[in-house]
Amino acid sequence: EAEVAQSPRYKITEKSQAVAFWCDPISGHATLYWYRQILGQGPELLVQFQDESVVDDSQLPKDRFSAERLKGVDSTLKIQPAELGDSAMYLCASSLGAGETQYFGPGTRLLVL
Amino acid sequence: AQSVTQPDIHITVSEGASLELRCNYSYGATPYLFWYVQSPGQGLQLLLKYFSGDTLVQGIKGFEAEFKRSQSSFNLRKPSVHWSDAAEYFCAVGAGGGGGNKLTFGTGTQLKVEL
Repeated sequence: EAEVAQSPRYKITEKSQAVAFWCDPISGHATLYWYRQILGQGPELLVQFQDESVVDDSQLPKDRFSAERLKGVDSTLKIQPAELGDSAMYLCASSLGAGETQYFGPGTRLLVL
Repeated sequence: AQSVTQPDIHITVSEGASLELRCNYSYGATPYLFWYVQSPGQGLQLLLKYFSGDTLVQGIKGFEAEFKRSQSSFNLRKPSVHWSDAAEYFCAVGAGGGGGNKLTFGTGTQLKVEL
């Protein structure tokens, strides 16, 4: 069964450093989502791509976060500089198209010291 | 704005007992509703979804959920819980397009299963 791949699974960094997360969606899925999940809470959408275009980044802290999906396939989420409050699980999901069921990857757990 | 409330933060049941996890939503139109399960340190797995039609929805692992418009609820049920069901369960409501856009999640219910 096809799955969403994410790497790394765990990342420890110091505040003010740069970090990057990678996501490879299920083959053929045009829509890709990045979520942030703080411990004890549900995931919150950071950014949504349709192919290579951003369709919703209203909750993305653009002063320090950036996301790209250059060829409309895999995607990278970057944080620079990282802050203590960025410690969370970062989840990637994909769907066949906007509005279709979302399938989640295993996530990247980030700890900022 | 859409929102989801999961009133139970933690629930403990004995293995073999029945289970009901509560979910209440707020959404201005016909909602698209989902239940996901998350094991420790893992991503979310879709259990079931409701888009339209029959209000009783069957999912994987023996779970079912019932959409009740009058109560704005979408409670998850299982007749007999297994120890492997211990995990965190999230209810979500979707908006826009076919409903899968802009998922809003509840804060989750942590399920513990006593042997």
